[in-house]
Amino acid sequence: GAGVSQSPRYKVAKRGQDVALRCDPISGHVSLFWYQQALGQGPEFLTYFQNEAQLDKSGLPSDRFFAERPEGSVSTLKIQRTQQEDSAVYLCASSQGYGYTFGSGTRLTVV
Amino acid sequence: DQQVKQNSPSLSVQEGRISILNCDYTNSMFDYFLWYKKYPAEGPTFLISISSIKDKNEDGRFTVFLNKSAKHLSLHIVPSQPGDSAVYFCAASEGKAAGNKLTFGGGTRVLVKP
Repeated sequence: GAGVSQSPRYKVAKRGQDVALRCDPISGHVSLFWYQQALGQGPEFLTYFQNEAQLDKSGLPSDRFFAERPEGSVSTLKIQRTQQEDSAVYLCASSQGYGYTFGSGTRLTVV
Repeated sequence: DQQVKQNSPSLSVQEGRISILNCDYTNSMFDYFLWYKKYPAEGPTFLISISSIKDKNEDGRFTVFLNKSAKHLSLHIVPSQPGDSAVYFCAASEGKAAGNKLTFGGGTRVLVKP
């Protein structure tokens, strides 16, 4: 595709609910990143994939967060038993070499 | 522990004047620095970068300066235009290789007044 596509754009979840956020990277991009951006702050690294391999998950804040990219293209970030502090914009970025292209993000609000 | 800091949360400047955005970092391992621009409801878009082997990089109206000894970088926008109104993020990484994660500052909101 022309850009990185994320869905849904907005998600409201009740506390304790599980959510799944989807990222469609630019076709052929090997590297895929997830970042979390809390209100008024800069994006913070969550995890990195090279093709289907998750090479770095050091930024995932707890074991409630899980990411996968089974075929090396589309990625899903899953958050189990959501809590209010999970409310943020979740940004996906892809790269072929160096230089990220970010998607528009999914704004998650946990109520 | 914030490794990249943007101490000015906001900046207001008149159209045609210079905008100067500042960024400080603490991690000596950072050797590649980037600036991103973000409009509301959009993802950050890459603006300009600089490697630690340089102290200046220029691209049109945008210039980034790096002072390694002070662990400080700045972004100059000359002349500022109303379309430059956005949030600007400074980011840093250890190396330029694909897969290197970025550490972002908290952002500076720029308002360019016509």
